[in-house]
Amino acid sequence: GQQLNQSPQSMFIQEGEDVSMNCTSSSIFNTWLWYKQDPGEGPVLLIALYKAGELTSNGRLTAQFGITRKDSFLNISASIPSDVGIYFCAGPVTGNQFYFGTGTSLTVIP
Amino acid sequence: NAGVTQTPKFQVLKTGQSMTLQCAQDMNHNSMYWYRQDPGMGLRLIYYSASEGTTDKGEVPNGYNVSRLNKREFSLRLESAAPSQTSVYFCASRPFPGSTSTDTQYFGPGTRLTVL
Repeated sequence: GQQLNQSPQSMFIQEGEDVSMNCTSSSIFNTWLWYKQDPGEGPVLLIALYKAGELTSNGRLTAQFGITRKDSFLNISASIPSDVGIYFCAGPVTGNQFYFGTGTSLTVIP
Repeated sequence: NAGVTQTPKFQVLKTGQSMTLQCAQDMNHNSMYWYRQDPGMGLRLIYYSASEGTTDKGEVPNGYNVSRLNKREFSLRLESAAPSQTSVYFCASRPFPGSTSTDTQYFGPGTRLTVL
């Protein structure tokens, strides 16, 4: 099946630090999606990317669609405690299916 | 507008028991999905329904059946539960592709299932 590899698997950072994570695929994607999952909840969409090279921001979050279309990056600036959760990348691989990465677990230490 | 709802929130089964997980969405979405989430493995697709009346297997369908009862409801059934099916199950829905500016899925809160 499709492989979406996320790194790092987990991060422990101090409040106020910036965070970077990435997602790589074994094949080309036309859309990249970034989700956040709060503890005990379902994933919620943060940012959607539709074009190679695209850079999109949502508040303190910035995501980029890699030029090769096989990777994507998510940055969080000036982290705060409510940034805690698991961050997933995802992309549609057929008309109706989405594949999800393995997730990056973020812990913010106050 | 409740979005995607799932019942039950928690369930404990014994090996061999059966149960049905219920999912409903009130957003008039065409497609619905069932995923399972296990530690370190992300979300894996079990079954999906592209539209009312159709269902298709995903990555990990063995041991599960689904029913798209109508446009709103998509249920997941475990006929004979096994410990390997201990997981968190998420239902999701998606609008018709191209009908909105953002192609994404909307997730329910999950069902935490333990099979002893």
